[in-house]
Amino acid sequence: NAGVMQNPRHLVRRRGQEARLRCSPMKGHSHVYWYRQLPEEGLKFMVYLQKENIIDESGMPKERFSAEFPKEGPSILRIQQVVRGDSAAYFCASSSEYYNEQFFGPGTRLTVL
Amino acid sequence: TQLLEQSPQFLSIQEGENLTVYCNSSSVFSSLQWYRQEPGEGPVLLVTVVTGGEVKKLKRLTFQFGDARKDSSLHITAAQPGDTGLYLCAGGGASGSRLTFGEGTQLTVNP
Repeated sequence: NAGVMQNPRHLVRRRGQEARLRCSPMKGHSHVYWYRQLPEEGLKFMVYLQKENIIDESGMPKERFSAEFPKEGPSILRIQQVVRGDSAAYFCASSSEYYNEQFFGPGTRLTVL
Repeated sequence: TQLLEQSPQFLSIQEGENLTVYCNSSSVFSSLQWYRQEPGEGPVLLVTVVTGGEVKKLKRLTFQFGDARKDSSLHITAAQPGDTGLYLCAGGGASGSRLTFGEGTQLTVNP
């Protein structure tokens, strides 16, 4: 009964490097969502994807951030040229196409030095 | 912009006491979900309510969705130290839409 998988669980990057966060949805789920949780703040929506399509990216910064959900393989959230303000916990959630019940992964904690 | 306000932000009680957490919005949601999050982990889904006026019970937890689908409450009876955690409410639209989260209620139950 595999839930949503995320890796790595912890990621340390220096300023200017790239960060790649991976998410495998629950079996049978075709919708993937990425959220960011900054220290002392709530969860904020970033992007919503279906296989090979970005449906809603209104919560994602226009620069340096990108997301994809290829036909094969996990969803990837990519942050280029990371800055200290990108340090946060990034959570992936998935849902089926029928219900908007979203199940979350354990998160990737990104630390930018 | 849809906003969800949770109250109280912090709650510290003794084991055996009852408590209620509130989640309010000026917006209507198609569904409302309650999560519990432990430090260093992702939110775990507790319940989803979709019908105005709906009440769901999960052991000592009772969840209610307001008639107008703008607010919700979580009531815990006879709280236990194992109930300690961050409780989050999240409002959603139709299938395949973003969740809007409240800021959370940090509950501490002291033995």
